Amino acid sequence: DTAVSQTPKYLVTQMGNDKSIKCEQNLGHDTMYWYKQDSKKFLKIMFSYNNKELIINETVPNRFSPKSPDKAHLNLHINSLELGDSAVYFCASSQRGTSGSRGGANVLTFGAGSRLTVL
Amino acid sequence: AQSVTQPDIHITVSEGASLELRCNYSYGATPYLFWYVQSPGQGLQLLLKYFSGDTLVQGIKGFEAEFKRSQSSFNLRKPSVHWSDAAEYFCAVGAKAGTALIFGKGTTLSVSS
Repeated sequence: DTAVSQTPKYLVTQMGNDKSIKCEQNLGHDTMYWYKQDSKKFLKIMFSYNNKELIINETVPNRFSPKSPDKAHLNLHINSLELGDSAVYFCASSQRGTSGSRGGANVLTFGAGSRLTVL
Repeated sequence: AQSVTQPDIHITVSEGASLELRCNYSYGATPYLFWYVQSPGQGLQLLLKYFSGDTLVQGIKGFEAEFKRSQSSFNLRKPSVHWSDAAEYFCAVGAKAGTALIFGKGTTLSVSS
């Protein structure tokens, strides 16, 4: 049973379209993330949610909107897709540690990735 | 702000030879440190992590890493590389519980026969 699952795995679309990527985790984690991996394989954090609350929102265009209906799901919606949005998007989850705790927290479990190609 | 540097973009090692991948981090306090591996077309798999305590940590697949505070380094090692180890390796740093990991730009490992 997949721990962090993303759908779709591949997405090919035209510029200007709107698309969504879904992510679900069954690990019981309370924190979820979206990372973008560009063509040079550089991984950059985009968003992070903790118990449905947005806690990290890096410098990402407003066209990107994350939504977390519950702590097991974090979806990414992208409006008006551009060529530069082509990348692999990774969802991840972790269990946020309590204050002062260094055990278990921040061990991110990643999904298999969703490759977005904008034509 | 935290940062991670992986000085080697691409390394080629002969099968059976030893391996060391370098990682340097920048962070004021003791960080959480990680190594992840990404096989072609796959997600990232955790190899090992350092939180505190023994500075030499053992991971999966025969990998180990050593945290050296004086050098701000967390280098990954393996005594004998297998062809299946060919992949992209990422070092990452986290500041505290609940913060996202900052990744280095990765090192591509090729294994020659």
